Amino acid sequence: GIQVEQSPPDLILQEGANSTLRCNFSDSVNNLQWFHQNPWGQLINLFYIPSGTKQNGRLSATTVATERYSLLYISSSQTTDSGVYFCAVITQGGSEKLVFGKGTKLTVNP
Amino acid sequence: EAEVAQSPRYKITEKSQAVAFWCDPISGHATLYWYRQILGQGPELLVQFQDESVVDDSQLPKDRFSAERLKGVDSTLKIQPAELGDSAMYLCASSLAGRETQYFGPGTRLLVL
Repeated sequence: GIQVEQSPPDLILQEGANSTLRCNFSDSVNNLQWFHQNPWGQLINLFYIPSGTKQNGRLSATTVATERYSLLYISSSQTTDSGVYFCAVITQGGSEKLVFGKGTKLTVNP
Repeated sequence: EAEVAQSPRYKITEKSQAVAFWCDPISGHATLYWYRQILGQGPELLVQFQDESVVDDSQLPKDRFSAERLKGVDSTLKIQPAELGDSAMYLCASSLAGRETQYFGPGTRLLVL
């Protein structure tokens, strides 16, 4: 099955810093979503981005489908950005389930 | 904004007992998913429904787990008997159709003692 790799696994920032999270996937996809899992376990949708670039406030994401990777940018980080960020994909054809990476754990210190 | 509802939020049970989780998807969403997330890992699909029909239950441990979506709206996931290794977060998600954006509920955190 498809492999989804996220990097880095852990990231520690000072408040106000910028960061880039990466997601590599091993096969063609027609759905890619970025999620933020808060300390209570809720998965919050950030982006649905199978290709192209989107921005939402301090967050933006870019997916280059032909090269099989996606990037999540967080600018001017805040302590409330802490948590685990997951990339998840659905492959073209076959199952419609989301296949998740292992996540990037982000800690933003004041 | 419409949300996926789940209950209970937390459940503590002893091994060999039965447990049940409930999910109410976003209104109008035909596709419903149950995922299980073990601590430190990403969620993994247990079962997918399209309306009231099971589309994918290949990863559901059918000797102890069952799931139903009788009227094609809300859904129940049951474990009987629970084992220590079932301790995890159980997440429900819904989408308008397969391959569309999936929206997740708050989850049920299960602890089996």
